[in-house]
Amino acid sequence: EPEVTQTPSHQVTQMGQEVILRCVPISNHLYFYWYRQILGQKVEFLVSFYNNEISEKSEIFDDQFSVERPDGSNFTLKIRSTKLEDSAMYFCASSEWVNTEAFFGQGTRLTVV
Amino acid sequence: AQTVTQSQPEMSVQEAETVTLSCTYDTSESDYYLFWYKQPPSRQMILVIRQEAYKQQNATENRFSVNFQKAAKSFSLKISDSQLGDAAMYFCAYRISGGGADGLTFGKGTHLIIQP
Repeated sequence: EPEVTQTPSHQVTQMGQEVILRCVPISNHLYFYWYRQILGQKVEFLVSFYNNEISEKSEIFDDQFSVERPDGSNFTLKIRSTKLEDSAMYFCASSEWVNTEAFFGQGTRLTVV
Repeated sequence: AQTVTQSQPEMSVQEAETVTLSCTYDTSESDYYLFWYKQPPSRQMILVIRQEAYKQQNATENRFSVNFQKAAKSFSLKISDSQLGDAAMYFCAYRISGGGADGLTFGKGTHLIIQP
């Protein structure tokens, strides 16, 4: 069964460093998403991506964040100059169309020290 | 802004019994989707069931069913014949229909414990 794949599963980075989280969406899906879940809190929408550009973004998705689809398979989230409060589980998701089911990856746990 | 509220931080049920998880939401939209996602200890979010707001009939997926009350903005999940594998965090989520690729708005979750 096709699935969304995220790497790495756990990333530790020093405060102020840049980090790139990687995702491989399901191959025939056209919409891609990033969410984050701070430990013990709810899952929060960050950004959606379609046709090589951002479709929607939340107020959390400020200038320190960026997304990119560098090739035909990967979808990345870059966090510039990480802060302690960026420590969270980051989930990538993809859907075939805008109103169809979103499939989630297993997440990347980001720890900023 | 849309909000989703899950008032039960934790629920416990005996194996084989039935449990209902509550969810209410607030929106000014008339067309939207509602979802229940399951997050087991593996942390992956798994879709359990989905409801389109324009459909009056409650969605059902095997042992999982919803009670969708649009006027009351209520969307509860009923799990029948609970199994040990149902133990997980359950998140209620909302998404507007149409327009751009808006993300899901999640509730804070309900931790479901299954007692053997």
